[in-house]
Amino acid sequence: DAMVIQNPRYQVTQFGKPVTLSCSQTLNHNVMYWYQQKSSQAPKLLFHYYDKDFNNEADTPDNFQSRRPNTSFCFLDIRSPGLGDAAMYLCATSTGPGQSSYEQYFGPGTRLTVT
Amino acid sequence: QKEVEQDPGPLSVPEGAIVSLNCTYSNSAFQYFMWYRQYSRKGPELLMYTYSSGNKEDGRFTAQVDKSSKYISLFIRDSQPSDSATYLCAMSYYNNNDMRFGAGTRLTVKP
Repeated sequence: DAMVIQNPRYQVTQFGKPVTLSCSQTLNHNVMYWYQQKSSQAPKLLFHYYDKDFNNEADTPDNFQSRRPNTSFCFLDIRSPGLGDAAMYLCATSTGPGQSSYEQYFGPGTRLTVT
Repeated sequence: QKEVEQDPGPLSVPEGAIVSLNCTYSNSAFQYFMWYRQYSRKGPELLMYTYSSGNKEDGRFTAQVDKSSKYISLFIRDSQPSDSATYLCAMSYYNNNDMRFGAGTRLTVKP
């Protein structure tokens, strides 16, 4: 089945220790997104890639970076995690603007704990 | 003011009840209106979408959009315990990748 895969499902890191979360997709979608979702809050868009074009949300902290080496993979790097970065991180994909872009396909998420 | 407002609940109903979930929004430029369902420890999945104003029905689910009031609703008829999940409204602009979510309403349907 075509899908969005996130690894790991659970990640524990220490305060200030860099961490990388990964996402892969078999849908061959042009757009990949990273969202941060804290408990009982809306998913907050951090950034997205349309093919290789990177789009950063204005309020995404510099501490968060992303890489998309190819169509299938996208990485979220947190350079110096703080306690406030503990959250569920969701990866999603869509086909692109004007092409059912309202439908995003989500992975199961990575729950990040910062100790 | 948040772009999308949604009552987080929680909402608890008996099996068979009609459930009404709602969101309001502030940006009149939104064109697509979606409802996503999120089970515990899973990512959201698209349940229904509506383009512009109007109603849309799919089985036990009905989505309504009132752009004049900036108000959207999701109705669930004959609710089942398997409907227990968090329901997120979401909105996007035409021809744009960005989507804005509500905080989600946690629904429990009791047998």
